[in-house]
Amino acid sequence: GAGVSQSPRYKVAKRGQDVALRCDPISGHVSLFWYQQALGQGPEFLTYFQNEAQLDKSGLPSDRFFAERPEGSVSTLKIQRTQQEDSAVYLCASSPNTGGAQPQHFGDGTRLSIL
Amino acid sequence: AQSVTQLDSQVPVFEEAPVELRCNYSSSVSVYLFWYVQYPNQGLQLLLKYLSGSTLVKGINGFEAEFNKSQTSFHLRKPSVHISDTAEYFCAVSGHSSASKIIFGSGTRLSIRP
Repeated sequence: GAGVSQSPRYKVAKRGQDVALRCDPISGHVSLFWYQQALGQGPEFLTYFQNEAQLDKSGLPSDRFFAERPEGSVSTLKIQRTQQEDSAVYLCASSPNTGGAQPQHFGDGTRLSIL
Repeated sequence: AQSVTQLDSQVPVFEEAPVELRCNYSSSVSVYLFWYVQYPNQGLQLLLKYLSGSTLVKGINGFEAEFNKSQTSFHLRKPSVHISDTAEYFCAVSGHSSASKIIFGSGTRLSIRP
């Protein structure tokens, strides 16, 4: 389809392992966001890209979290040395342009479980 | 900084009854306001948004919301709910700058009883 695609849908990892989560935004969308959604909570902002530039990473919880979007399209969120508190659904969203009025189109998320 | 408060974590209603989901926000600057819906194991889908102009906003699936600046509220309403409306609903705010992120409330679970 033409929506935001995230992979994998489910990821189980042992504590201490590194994981990589992928987001394919809608083609041509300038803005890309990553959110973390803990069980029973609303999504919380992690980081924002405008094309390939990471303009805001204020929501990343620690230096174990790293995101990139090298060619301004696909983005990867990497978590190093995973901890149990990293267990959550990670949502990616894209929007066609910049600005707070732009609607964000969400993927179905990656559910990450750390054992 | 902005914040969003959804006063009810869960709202049970009977099918075909009206429903109101409450949302209050806090911000020192002008904001845009949104309601998103999340069905189980899915991402979020935009229901409606308030950017400017008329304070009554109509969205998809028969939902509407009213922006009240003096009460800093943006309550979501539907006159008659269906079983298919069972989902989690999130109120959200965003600033006006070019790099604005969305701040979400903690969500309200709407459960419809037949």
